[in-house]
Order: sequence, then structure tokens, then C-alpha cells
Amino acid sequence: DIVMTQSPDSLAVSLGERATINCKSSQSVLSNSNNKNYLAWYQQRPGQPPKLLIYWASTREPGVPDRFSGSGSGTDFTLTISSLQAEDVAVYYCQQHYTTSPITFGGGTRVEIK
Amino acid sequence: QITLKESGPTLVKPTQTLTLTCTFSGFSLNSGGVGVGWIRQPPGKALEWLALILGDDTIRYRPSLRSRLTITKDTSKNQVVLTMSDMDPVDTATYYCAHRPCPPNDDCNNWFGPWGQGTLVTVSS
Repeated sequence: DIVMTQSPDSLAVSLGERATINCKSSQSVLSNSNNKNYLAWYQQRPGQPPKLLIYWASTREPGVPDRFSGSGSGTDFTLTISSLQAEDVAVYYCQQHYTTSPITFGGGTRVEIK
Repeated sequence: QITLKESGPTLVKPTQTLTLTCTFSGFSLNSGGVGVGWIRQPPGKALEWLALILGDDTIRYRPSLRSRLTITKDTSKNQVVLTMSDMDPVDTATYYCAHRPCPPNDDCNNWFGPWGQGTLVTVSS
């Protein structure tokens, strides 16, 4: 299995400040054939299902605010919220879609307001 | 607009077989790379992918659960059914179905959005 490790487990950020979440995969999720990173990010607000934010490591899903951005390559990835809003309080998950043997998610990072 | 909704029992006994139905709208599973996945989340824990079925009848299972899972589709009803046999209390979780999209002008792959609201299944005698 490709193990996805997120850090930190939780962070508290002031409104309007930057939040940075890290995700590390146990093996590269970069494809040599198309030069794409098979990494997605989700937001799960309290009591809600996950919502897709980003795929291919940096492609924003339509409708996702541009304060959310994804970066990284190979085994190290970052989700950045450039200016935290109250509605961004949630748990964020990364997921590798490089292989279905199996598809794996990170353990989640909880973002709270400081 | 794409929507999905899970249905099934909220309580099952150990060793029983769980059958969950995902009823969807806004897309078709008749062909191609569009698909539906099942993902579960034990209370307070992280997400765990279980199974995936595509319009072209491709099926993938979580290897560690392969012997217990079966996923099927009924395109006439816009439904995907997941069965999980030999249920155990550790299988207590919220079970989600989710759309596997094919974005316009891009490759399809195994990310999921949108998701259904989920259904909590408790395994207890």
C-alpha cells in the first residue's frame, strides 16, 4: 500500500492568516508517462461528507475558492489556504490516486480558528 | 447537478451480510470512465476506500477486503450496490458512495466528487 502521512494532525490559525497542510506519500505518485502527480485533496466540514478541492496535486475543482492551492511533486505535497475564513474550519485529507491497490487517504489534518 | 444517496440498514449483526445501495442522478454509468466508489469512515477516524465500478464495467476492490466485497451496477435504475459479507463490529462506520468524474478536456482518474451524505452502519449483536 502507498501510505499517506499528513502533518500536522491539527493546527489553529487566525482568521485571514495562512494555513499550510503537508502530505507525504511512501512512494512517488508522479507518473513518468504524463508527468502528473496523482494526488487529491478533500475538505470535510463537521457533520458533512468530504468535498473534493484539488486533483492532479494542483488542479482546483470548479467552484473551489482560489484561496485553496495545492503544490508539490513526487512524494511531498502541500495544501495551502492563503487567507483562512471561518467556513474553512474542517478536517482536510489527501488521497493518492496513483494506484487502486488500494486507493489510500491520509489520516487527516484538523484546521481550527485561533 | 450530480447527486448521490446511500441507503441500507443502520444496524447489522456480526457475521451478517451488509447490502448498501447508492442511488445517483446527473450522470450515467452506461459506458466510459465515469464511475462510483464506496468509501467508509469509522467514527472519529480517517477515510478508507473500499471499491470502485466504472461505466465500462471495470471493477476494483480494496485488496485486504476483496474476499468480502461485491460491487454491481444497475444502469436502468441509476444504482450501485455494495455488499460486504461477514460483518464485524470493526466495520462500524459511515459508508459513503461518491462520483468518480471525468473532467472535460482532461484525463479521468480515481478522485471522488461529489459524495453522498453517507449512512452510518453499526455492527452489534
